[in-house]
Amino acid sequence: ELKVEQNPLFLSMQEEKNYTIYCNYSTTSDRLYWYRQDPGKSLESLFVLLSNGAVKQEGRLMASLDTKARLSTLHITAAVHDLSATYFCAVDEDNDMRFGAGTRLTVKP
Amino acid sequence: NAGVMQNPRHLVRRRGQEARLRCSPMKGHSHVYWYRQLPEEGLKFMVYLQKENIIDESGMPKERFSAEFPKEGPSILRIQQVVRGDSAAYFCASSPGLANEQYFGPGTRLTVT
Repeated sequence: ELKVEQNPLFLSMQEEKNYTIYCNYSTTSDRLYWYRQDPGKSLESLFVLLSNGAVKQEGRLMASLDTKARLSTLHITAAVHDLSATYFCAVDEDNDMRFGAGTRLTVKP
Repeated sequence: NAGVMQNPRHLVRRRGQEARLRCSPMKGHSHVYWYRQLPEEGLKFMVYLQKENIIDESGMPKERFSAEFPKEGPSILRIQQVVRGDSAAYFCASSPGLANEQYFGPGTRLTVT
């Protein structure tokens, strides 16, 4: 069964600090997605990673995928308050998509 | 407490037919979101509904697509006169309130032949 685990589930950061969110999964999928969700809002697609070694960057966020380790990371550089949100990873294998539990990120001044 | 349920899980339609996708939210949840995922793309928001009301349909195509969430029963996403480009996975999510976490269903894979 496909399982997706994110950690940490809660993350409180100070502005200008760096941190990483981890997404481990249980299969050999090479299709992994990262999403952002603001309270009361729909999911916003951040990154689509479709191969081993894929790395994508947008602003202060960078995502990578290591299919051999079954691990994706979302790295936050020099956090700012606007990044406060919940971040989800999701893995797609054989038409079965599973979401991680989400990481609730709070960036404090 | 059963999770969010979607049916059917797989749906095959010929061009021009209608597709009806159902989403039963978790017990006690009155907010439903529909998303579409095209092959190898991330989820894209379509519509947000509360019981008997459409709150935000900014992601819905202007034609052929409609959604409802009646007082009783599941939320329905309806696609009329399907075309091949409608082939995708459609996910719904539910939450108990505006600022609460969303819980996702397993999705419906629509294939238009």
